[in-house]
Amino acid sequence: SAVISQKPSRDICQRGTSLTIQCQVDSQVTMMFWYRQQPGQSLTLIATANQGSEATYESGFVIDKFPISRPNLTFSTLTVSNMSPEDSSIYLCSVGQGPNTEAFFGQGTRLTVV
Amino acid sequence: AQSVAQPEDQVNVAEGNPLTVKCTYSVSGNPYLFWYVQYPNRGLQFLLKYITGDNLVKGSYGFEAEFNKSQTSFHLKKPSALVSDSALYFCAVRDRGSTLGRLYFGRGTQLTVWP
Repeated sequence: SAVISQKPSRDICQRGTSLTIQCQVDSQVTMMFWYRQQPGQSLTLIATANQGSEATYESGFVIDKFPISRPNLTFSTLTVSNMSPEDSSIYLCSVGQGPNTEAFFGQGTRLTVV
Repeated sequence: AQSVAQPEDQVNVAEGNPLTVKCTYSVSGNPYLFWYVQYPNRGLQFLLKYITGDNLVKGSYGFEAEFNKSQTSFHLKKPSALVSDSALYFCAVRDRGSTLGRLYFGRGTQLTVWP
């Protein structure tokens, strides 16, 4: 298993500002994923972040809005840039070790943009 | 295209009764299947998975799920529900051929167990 520490757990931000969310894993992992979970809805994958390469973004998400860093095998950050109220959501970090293994999730970051 | 359907937004059961949370899927290849649970203000917790072998898999907290290839279903079950089982449940699928390893999630089913 993997233990994931995600910070901050929640934040209230002004529109137009940016927030960086950190995800720290207690072991080396190949793949890290960033999801968004809007109120009452399912998880939507934002991007896949592999160490040493550019993040792969899903349709509807762009690097300028959601820049991601993956400097090593235990850490990643997601920045939500130039925020608007529509960005209010829960953001979740997830890690995976292989296709037939379960994914593990951080506690999530509850973001409110005012 | 990969997709997961959870046809029920909400399931309500009385404590002590059996529960079923439904999931059907569509993948281009053979799937790996997962169930996760989310309690309020928490991340997702892994419950169980189907990889290969016996179609009936057992997981945490007394939950089990049955893989039915012909019906492309992976329903979550528990013989006797507890009030503490009340939570949001997500079914997820991963294509075996996926190199990225991403999961596709259903929209979630809110389970409420009444005392």
